Amino acid sequence: DGGITQSPKYLFRKEGQNVTLSCEQNLNHDAMYWYRQDPGQGLRLIYYSQIVNDFQKGDIAEGYSVSREKKESFPLTVTSAQKNPTAFYLCASGGQGMNTEAFFGQGTRLTVV
Amino acid sequence: KQEVTQIPAALSVPEGENLVLNCSFTDSAIYNLQWFRQDPGKGLTSLLLIQSSQREQTSGRLNASLDKSSGRSTLYIAASQPGDSATYLCAVIPIKAAGNKLTFGGGTRVLVKP
Repeated sequence: DGGITQSPKYLFRKEGQNVTLSCEQNLNHDAMYWYRQDPGQGLRLIYYSQIVNDFQKGDIAEGYSVSREKKESFPLTVTSAQKNPTAFYLCASGGQGMNTEAFFGQGTRLTVV
Repeated sequence: KQEVTQIPAALSVPEGENLVLNCSFTDSAIYNLQWFRQDPGKGLTSLLLIQSSQREQTSGRLNASLDKSSGRSTLYIAASQPGDSATYLCAVIPIKAAGNKLTFGGGTRVLVKP
């Protein structure tokens, strides 16, 4: 089945740790995105990538890092510099054309313990 | 800067009633508008994509309209069912935004009572 796979579904992080969230797609999409969702705040863009080996900061990139070494994969690392990382993280992908549909993964819930 | 608003934030209807969900955006220069459904603790499921040149799009019991000049889109769900209970989000891709980035509304949480 074509789609976007995020793993793990739940992730627990200790203070000071870096953690990496996985996002893989088999839709042959060029563009991939990471969003953060907090209760009452909607979706906010963290990073996006339009092509392999290139990515740009979104609205709330501080404390996060990404890589795009393969077209299918766009992992997100939540670093210790992110002071409030507890949230629901959503990965999405879309084509390069202006009228292409965006698709989302099932999300990763990150909790700081 | 493009802003997307969804009012009301929550809506409760009896089963069988038609649902009308509103989405407004401040800048009419968009490539397209997309409606999503989100169940609690889950990702977003794409419902309908309306291209900027289209006025409406239909899929089963769902119909979405787009009026770019007034900056509005409406999602109609006919004959609602308890399984339609979810949060519905709309998002636009502004022409001025690099990377085809979606700008989201805050969502409308829908409860369909049996």
